[in-house]
Amino acid sequence: RKEVEQDPGPFNVPEGATVAFNCTYSNSASQSFFWYRQDCRKEPKLLMSVYSSGNEDGRFTAQLNRASQYISLLIRDSKLSDSATYLCVVNGPGTYKYIFGTGTRLKVLA
Amino acid sequence: DTGVSQDPRHKITKRGQNVTFRCDPISEHNRLYWYRQTLGQGPEFLTYFQNEAQLEKSRLLSDRFSAERPKGSFSTLEIQRTEQGDSAMYLCASSAGTPPGELFFGEGSRLTVL
Repeated sequence: RKEVEQDPGPFNVPEGATVAFNCTYSNSASQSFFWYRQDCRKEPKLLMSVYSSGNEDGRFTAQLNRASQYISLLIRDSKLSDSATYLCVVNGPGTYKYIFGTGTRLKVLA
Repeated sequence: DTGVSQDPRHKITKRGQNVTFRCDPISEHNRLYWYRQTLGQGPEFLTYFQNEAQLEKSRLLSDRFSAERPKGSFSTLEIQRTEQGDSAMYLCASSAGTPPGELFFGEGSRLTVL
């Protein structure tokens, strides 16, 4: 089993739609969680950290479910500019190693 | 520009040759990471340093790969006797702080092995 698993997609959604991505992780002792965004042929960049209580940043909402070991990202009112690959990232216990999922591709259609 | 810089950006080599990539992290960051990424996959962890100490290395990494960070500043990643399967984007990232925070990536070094 992979340490971090994501549905690779692609998710093709119309502008204005709401889309949700899930990510599962295998190590129940994992401590820190993040969503990164990667545009085609670019480096990954932090979208948002994921906190235990859930957190929101504009149209983006991240949730953490430790009991089920999954993380979610919800994007509301999708924009064309949201088209990218979204990477789930988990940091293990007792280490500063970051493990990336395979990424979920999103394409927002006009 | 005070971001993470990588050199070279592109490298084409013949199978069996050695290649070396350099990464200069953000100056105040004490942790430096190397990842490998192939098309359609997420970045795969290779190794990371805290200052000059290499604290963790992927078990997937063969003995042909070696990384150094001699003075706790820049780092080099060397691949010996390259194989076609080594063709990938090699990403460097740096970070600082506790608990683990944001990883800042360079633009990557793309390796093509012919």
